[in-house]
Parts: sequence; structure tokens; C-alpha cells
Amino acid sequence: SQTIHQWPATLVQPVGSPLSLECTVEGTSNPNLYWYRQAAGRGLQLLFYSVGIGQISSEVPQNLSASRPQDRQFILSSKKLLLSDSGFYLCAWSPRTGIFNSPLHFGNGTRLTVT
Amino acid sequence: TQLLEQSPQFLSIQEGENLTVYCNSSSVFSSLQWYRQEPGEGPVLLVTVVTGGEVKKLKRLTFQFGDARKDSSLHITAAQPGDTGLYLCASSRPSGGSYIPTFGRGTSLIVHP
Repeated sequence: SQTIHQWPATLVQPVGSPLSLECTVEGTSNPNLYWYRQAAGRGLQLLFYSVGIGQISSEVPQNLSASRPQDRQFILSSKKLLLSDSGFYLCAWSPRTGIFNSPLHFGNGTRLTVT
Repeated sequence: TQLLEQSPQFLSIQEGENLTVYCNSSSVFSSLQWYRQEPGEGPVLLVTVVTGGEVKKLKRLTFQFGDARKDSSLHITAAQPGDTGLYLCASSRPSGGSYIPTFGRGTSLIVHP
């Protein structure tokens, strides 16, 4: 069965420090991968998605970047965190079937607090 | 960009009550998915609806897709405290050969025992 791992679960970082959040998927190949941010228990804002190794699409301009060094690894980074980067970050995958209603499978998220 | 509007934003009810939450768009959905998210966890898929007028049931949850595929509702019968969570609807838009899911802001439900 497929599983998705996301870590760390919680993180407290000072303003100006770097960030690296990692997400890995097991049990599937060639997944689509996504990074979402959620503010205060509300809707999900798509940050980045990837349809293959080294292929990253950004949805919103921001202080963050993403990379996909391996097929099932997705990394969210920042060189210098801002207070506004605080939030709940969710990684997700979907099968690359080309079908419009493929479901998303989410990790358990990282709660980031920038102080 | 298709905007998904969910209502109500918040709902606080007693155990045993019935409730309905809504998801609407000004444009036609290709398909619609409902997710439930518990605090501190990622959303979990409940159902996908594709055909206009479609009705799906999942135990005490009934999902309807509007005939014109521009709206959907989730009805919960005899709500229980375990139904507490954030209910999110999502639809996919095409982008570069893939389909990118877009989420509404969600309905936050609290069921009091």
C-alpha cells in the first residue's frame, strides 16, 4: 500500500533562518506531488506541484521554493523565513493517471511557527 | 481560476442533529471531491462525484452533485461528535497535461455531545 511521510511534525524557527521540509512517498511510482499551506484551519492554498523529477510549478510568488531530487521525494525550502511563512504545510500525492478526478493523499502536515 | 465557495464557514450543533453544508462555483465542475480534515492531520477523501444529479451515500453522509454540476451538498444525518472536523470541497483544473486540485475554504463543524 502507498504511504506518505512528512517531517518534522512541528517546527519553530526564528525569522531569517532557513527552512527545509521533506516529504517522501512509498508504494507508488511517478506520482504527482504537491505542497499546500493552510492558515488557521481554513482552506488549502496550493504552493507548488510537480509532475516529475526536477519539474516544479509554482502557483503563487513567495519566499519559498520546492525541489524534487528523486521521484518520490519533495522538498519545500526557504533561505530566509518571514513571520508570514507561519502555517500548516501539507504534502500530498496523486497518481499520474491523467484522470481529472484522481484523489489526493495527504501527509499529516508540518506546523511551522516563525518567531 | 475556478473559485469554490463553501457555506456555512462555521457550524456548531448538538449530537443527533442533521446538517447540510454547501459548495458552489460560478463555473461548471469537471468533478468534485469532498474531504474531511481533523485537527493536526491532513485531509482525507470522503467521496468523488462526477455526474450531474449524482447522489452518493457513505453511512450517515449523503453527497449530492447539482444537475448543472455547479454546486454540491453534503448532508449528515444524526451527527455524532466523531463527525467534528473541517469539510473541504475540491475540484480539479487542467494544467500542462495534469489536473490541479483547488480547494474551497471549508466548513468547520463541531458536534457537541
